[in-house]
Amino acid sequence: GQNIDQPTEMTATEGAIVQINCTYQTSGFNGLFWYQQHAGEAPTFLSYNVLDGLEEKGRFSSFLSRSKGYSYLLLKELQMKDSASYLCAVRGDNYGGSQGNLIFGKGTKLSVKP
Amino acid sequence: SAVISQKPSRDICQRGTSLTIQCQVDSQVTMMFWYRQQPGQSLTLIATANQGSEATYESGFVIDKFPISRPNLTFSTLTVSNMSPEDSSIYLCSVERRGRQAFFGQGTRLTVV
Repeated sequence: GQNIDQPTEMTATEGAIVQINCTYQTSGFNGLFWYQQHAGEAPTFLSYNVLDGLEEKGRFSSFLSRSKGYSYLLLKELQMKDSASYLCAVRGDNYGGSQGNLIFGKGTKLSVKP
Repeated sequence: SAVISQKPSRDICQRGTSLTIQCQVDSQVTMMFWYRQQPGQSLTLIATANQGSEATYESGFVIDKFPISRPNLTFSTLTVSNMSPEDSSIYLCSVERRGRQAFFGQGTRLTVV
């Protein structure tokens, strides 16, 4: 089956660093995405990893290890506005090897405290 | 990026009725995607809508319950038919661009009473 696991909730302090982990088991792999979703709003794209290693984008970084089926999203210098749900999504394979649809984890609700 | 307009943003409906959700994109796209996000759950793909052909439904979703129209390359509708309280959810339309990054509409929050 296909499965994506991430913690349900996390709490961190303003100005701190937080790491949100994601492990996945999917049929094939064609990239891993992180999305941010504020309450009542649509998910917005944060990052994309298809090769092993770290992708840095301002205060946000994302890491991928394909051999371990593992990714993390690192948020630095946390701000109150970073309070949101963070969704890990993996694109698997369709049968025949073509790129498949996105499979989403349940999301990690991050609360940033002053 | 893509600008996606989705409406209604929310609705409260009686069980047994149907609701049609509209999704308008600011430029032409080949495929449009419809997702459901139940409370505390992940986004689940309902179907993929291609212009000029029938939608492709994922396991657990059927055309009679979720009919989809795709009359042109910038517009699609999803109908939730014969609603029950279990259909209460957020419904999102999505398109993909640039390395197949997904962009989402604002979502339709549906409550069935």
